Amino acid sequence: DIQMTQSPSSLSASVGDRVTITCQASQDISNYLNWYQQKPGKAPKLLIYDASNLETGVPSRFSGSGSGTDFTFTISSLQPEDIATYYCQQYDNLWLTFGGGTKVEIK
Amino acid sequence: EVQLVESGGGLVQPGRSLRLSCAASGFTFDDYAMHWVRQAPGKGLEWVSGISWNSGSIGYADSVKGRFTISRDNAKNSLYLQMNSLRAEDTALYYCARGKRYSYGGDFDYWGQGTLVTVSS
Repeated sequence: DIQMTQSPSSLSASVGDRVTITCQASQDISNYLNWYQQKPGKAPKLLIYDASNLETGVPSRFSGSGSGTDFTFTISSLQPEDIATYYCQQYDNLWLTFGGGTKVEIK
Repeated sequence: EVQLVESGGGLVQPGRSLRLSCAASGFTFDDYAMHWVRQAPGKGLEWVSGISWNSGSIGYADSVKGRFTISRDNAKNSLYLQMNSLRAEDTALYYCARGKRYSYGGDFDYWGQGTLVTVSS
């Protein structure tokens, strides 16, 4: 199975800061990588699909990049409503996997 | 409006079975892959199983392979997860999620609210 290593596991940043989360795959997954946001008590929400495509209705401060094994998720200007846990997810084969998650808090 | 509604969760003893259901509406169900994703209390997301639009591709996480069976009834717009030989570590909130159209993997663009499974004696 493909392992997804996500880092950091948590971070604290100020409103307006640029936030970056990375996800590394244990083997080449091309661009088969998605990013989700999950707020407490809620189902996850798709933000980025196929590594860099913004899901409809998602604010443009969210972005994704990368291919192969290394991927990056960025919030260009952190807002209070962005407090959540973020997950990457790969779908290169029949066995899909999520990263361990990154909890984002406001400093 | 796309809706996914899970049901069938509950308290079950170790070693027993449970069948989860997911009722889909608001889209052409038999065009899309469907998946089960779970989240243990206070933990991250874990993909459990997926099935392609035509049931031609099916996959399971290693943690449930041989114990869980995914299926779908396109006539009833429903997805199922038969869970046998349940263990304490299967305790989680189980989400139903919509996958890619005419495919298997991809992103999960719609999720249900989940059904809680608790395995305990």
